[in-house]
Formats: sequence, C-alpha cells, structure tokens
Amino acid sequence: EVQLVQSGAEVKKPGESLKISCKGSGYSFTTYWIGWVRQMPGKGLEWMGIIYPGDSDTRYSPSFQGQVTFSADKSVSTAYLQWSSLKASDTAMYFCAKLDFDSGGMISGVDSWGQGSLVTVSS
Amino acid sequence: QSALTQPASVSGSPGQSITISCTGTSSDVGGYNYVSWYQQHPGKAPKVLIYEVNNRPSGVSNRFSGSKSGNTASLTISGLQTEDEADYYCSSYTTSINFIFGGGTKLTVL
Repeated sequence: EVQLVQSGAEVKKPGESLKISCKGSGYSFTTYWIGWVRQMPGKGLEWMGIIYPGDSDTRYSPSFQGQVTFSADKSVSTAYLQWSSLKASDTAMYFCAKLDFDSGGMISGVDSWGQGSLVTVSS
Repeated sequence: QSALTQPASVSGSPGQSITISCTGTSSDVGGYNYVSWYQQHPGKAPKVLIYEVNNRPSGVSNRFSGSKSGNTASLTISGLQTEDEADYYCSSYTTSINFIFGGGTKLTVL
C-alpha cells in the first residue's frame, strides 16, 4: 500500500527556518515525482512544485520560486520542504503528493496524498 | 500563471446530477489529457476522484465522471448524496513539467 506520512504541526516565529518532511513507503520512492501543495486557511489548493527524488530535479511554480526549497533523501525515502526565513503569510497546511505516470511515461497527476502538515507562523 | 477557472459554488438535491466546469487554456487543460479532479472534505486531505480526464481510481464510485472539450474540463456527479457535500478541485498538467489547480468549487447538497 502506498503511503505518504508527513511530519507534525509546527509553530514558528517570523524569520525562523523550518524543514518539513514527507516519507514515502509501499512503492519505489526514487522513480516517482513528489509534489508539494499549499492550502492557506479557508482557501484553495495551490501547486508549489514538484521534485524527482531519483536525481532531485525540481520544478517550482512561479509564485514559489525562490521562496521555498525542495529536497529529497533517497536513503530514507523522504522528501522535504524548507523555508530559510518564515513569514506570517506562510501559515498554511502543506500537503505532499505522489505523482503517477501514464502508459506512455508522462506525468499524469496525483495518485496518493500525504495527510498534511500544518505550519503556523506567529510572533 | 492564473488558476484554472471553476464556479465558486454549485448546489443540488439528493438524487440529482450536477456538473462542475474547469476552464483553462491551450497551455494546460486544452493541451494535455492530464486533468484530474479531487474531493476535499473539511479538515481532510484531498482525495483523487478522476485522473487523465475520465478515469476513476479503484474504489471511487461510478457516480463520478469526467470529460473534456477544448480548454474546458467537467466533473459530473450523478445521484447526489449528502456525503458528496465537499470542495472539489480540478488540476491540469501544464508547461515546464508542472501542474495548476482550479480555484475550487463548494458543493452544497440541499
């Protein structure tokens, strides 16, 4: 069974750094892209970007380029999302998601979601 | 890169059918057959309902169906049930090997 287990809720102050995690199991972690999705309080889903754990190839959505960093550690089947200096506007639920391929090998969409990690940034 | 356009809300009575539209451009919805639909109940992670325009994962009711015409994709829910009350999001593959969501649609079952 495919599972994505995310790290727990975090409460941070503005300016602090943070790294949250998403551990994959039940599939070949290095051969499927992982996506990150933000959901601000009471708002919709936003694609932040995707990372390929096999070689750490990353693609950031324009709104998030330079604001966050994706990484992955193949040895522990875990993807990470990190901030170097948090802002109050980073307060949100963050989901990781496993992306699937179609029969032709093209990335086709999400087939599994993590449970979400709530990040609260407040002074 | 703007979000895909969905109606903010739709409603229907139990047993009825509703359709939610999702309009993009030729760079996303119109250019690829990689439209997905997700259901999200309050406080929960999204759930995949439809992938690759009109495919259902195993375990998803056949009351949910998807289609696409040009730059607009659609999700139809037939035989509405009270548990279908939730937020629904479309998503499409887009250029530069990335994805984009719609703004979301709140479904109310009256």
